[in-house]
Amino acid sequence: DIQMTQSPSSLSASVGDRVTITCRASQSISNYLNWYQQKPGRAPKLLMNRASSLESGVPSRFSGSGSGTDFTLTISSLQPEDFATYYCQQSYSNPPYSFGPGTKLEIK
Amino acid sequence: EVQLVESGGGLVQPGGSLRLSCAASGFTFSTFWMSWVRQAPGKGLEWVANIKQDGSEKYYVDSVKGRFTISRDNAKNSLFLQMNSLRAEDTAVYYCARAPYGGYMSSWGQGTLVTVSS
Repeated sequence: DIQMTQSPSSLSASVGDRVTITCRASQSISNYLNWYQQKPGRAPKLLMNRASSLESGVPSRFSGSGSGTDFTLTISSLQPEDFATYYCQQSYSNPPYSFGPGTKLEIK
Repeated sequence: EVQLVESGGGLVQPGGSLRLSCAASGFTFSTFWMSWVRQAPGKGLEWVANIKQDGSEKYYVDSVKGRFTISRDNAKNSLFLQMNSLRAEDTAVYYCARAPYGGYMSSWGQGTLVTVSS
């Protein structure tokens, strides 16, 4: 099975900052990498699929890149509503479709 | 508007069984893969299982194989998860999710809490 890691596990940043979260797969997954945002007590929300394809309604300050084993999620200018936990998930080939452990983005 | 509403969670003793349901509306249920994802208290997300549009393909994470069964009723726009031989480590919020191509999950329910404890 494919293992996913994320770094950092937590991150403190200020409104207006540019932040980058990294996700790494234990083997090549092409671009079958998805990003989710989850706020406390809420269901996850899909931000993008296939590494860089932004979901409808997701602000353009979110962007994704990468292929193979290394991926990044970038928020160009943090807004108050962006403080949440972010998860990557691989959906390469057959299941199971594992998630990364998450990155908690907190207000500095 | 896409809606997914889970039900059936609750407190169950170790070794017991529970059947979760997910009622879908606002989209053509029979044309989508569907998934279950769980989240233990204070922990991250864990993909549990998914099922193809016609139920002909089903996949599970290793930790639930042989104990959990995913199924669907397209006539009733409903997804199910039968959970047997429950363990303390199955305690989690269980989310039902729509998966357009089986992989990523584009819409989620609000979740239902399953607690396995004596």
